[in-house]
Amino acid sequence: GNSVTQMEGPVTLSEEAFLTINCTYTATGYPSLFWYVQYPGEGLQLLLKATKADDKGSNKGFEATYRKETTSFHLEKGSVQVSDSAVYFCALIPYSGAGSYQLTFGKGTKLSVIP
Amino acid sequence: DAGVIQSPRHEVTEMGQEVTLRCKPISGHDYLFWYRQTMMRGLELLIYFNNNVPIDDSGMPEDRFSAKMPNASFSTLKIQPSEPRDSAVYFCASSTDTLGTGELFFGEGSRLTVL
Repeated sequence: GNSVTQMEGPVTLSEEAFLTINCTYTATGYPSLFWYVQYPGEGLQLLLKATKADDKGSNKGFEATYRKETTSFHLEKGSVQVSDSAVYFCALIPYSGAGSYQLTFGKGTKLSVIP
Repeated sequence: DAGVIQSPRHEVTEMGQEVTLRCKPISGHDYLFWYRQTMMRGLELLIYFNNNVPIDDSGMPEDRFSAKMPNASFSTLKIQPSEPRDSAVYFCASSTDTLGTGELFFGEGSRLTVL
């Protein structure tokens, strides 16, 4: 079946530090890959996505590259801010053909950024 | 624009009581999803609807859980009877997506505590 594995948190960084959150996946075919973010007390929201191998998704200074050879989609940011403190979820949609829709999430990685 | 609206935001009830969670999706969205979030199991898809029709309810944990979508602007998730292990945050999400773009719009969640 399809699955997503994320590094376990929590991750605590100082402001302006470099961030990497690892994500690997298992899926048949060519899934689309996503990072969602959940700020405290809120629902999840889409941060970035990539739909084919070697694509790079980017948003708000975050980046992730779809690596099919390593089945990975690691999230990176060069300089984190306190406002980036949140829970980050890696997710995938398998190649579905017609009529199927299922977003599979990892368990989430909590990031805390301290001033 | 109004996002996905869930109610109640918080619910505390006693074991054996009926619980009804409500969701109003974004107008024009034809997919609606119910997720459950716990520390132990992360984010789990319970059921999703397309054009008010349940498509996949394989994530519904047991017969105590039921979900309905009587029209395009309203859905309910009911637990009867509730048990302490049902304590979780329940998210509703909606989408106008069909295949692969993966952008779901989440509500702020309903935090359920069953004593």
